[in-house]
Amino acid sequence: TQLLEQSPQFLSIQEGENLTVYCNSSSVFSSLQWYRQEPGEGPVLLVTVVTGGEVKKLKRLTFQFGDARKDSSLHITAAQPGDTGLYLCAGFTYNAGNMLTFGGGTRLMVKP
Amino acid sequence: KAGVTQTPRYLIKTRGQQVTLSCSPISGHRSVSWYQQTPGQGLQFLFEYFSETQRNKGNFPGRFSGRQFSNSRSEMNVSTLELGDSALYLCASTQTGGRETQYFGPGTRLLVL
Repeated sequence: TQLLEQSPQFLSIQEGENLTVYCNSSSVFSSLQWYRQEPGEGPVLLVTVVTGGEVKKLKRLTFQFGDARKDSSLHITAAQPGDTGLYLCAGFTYNAGNMLTFGGGTRLMVKP
Repeated sequence: KAGVTQTPRYLIKTRGQQVTLSCSPISGHRSVSWYQQTPGQGLQFLFEYFSETQRNKGNFPGRFSGRQFSNSRSEMNVSTLELGDSALYLCASTQTGGRETQYFGPGTRLLVL
């Protein structure tokens, strides 16, 4: 069974602070995706990382895929209240058909 | 292009009843996956359908079943409901179910009393 451990579970910070969310697994994934979910809505894809060591930037968000494709991180610079939400990492296993294994999620609150 | 739609959005049932949830994928998408989201277990994969065939299944009891129609719309059914089945049920669609982006619907929130 593939598992993804996400940390921290909860994070409450002030506007302008930086933060990093981690996603770790003992399994190798074909790709790793990061989603953000707002209350009452389904997850929305932020980014997909495919290559070991890959770094992708989305405005103030930086995503990194570990060299061995087992772990990933999401770094937010100068967090804003609009960043508040549930962040989920998910590993995609290509050979298993279309299946995503999700981490437990990080609930982020950014206070103004 | 319309997004993934799920009906109903909210549902209240009692233990022992059964429930059917519906998911309409994005037009042209042929793969539909279902997930259960609970505070304790997070998001867990239920099953995936592609071209009316179940292609992948998660670790859930046989009370959870699904099907897909020729127009790619999908339904999932939960029989003999238990309190622990209370959850947000999400479906997601992709074109072929490969490495493309999965687009999630808003979910159906099921409460079992």
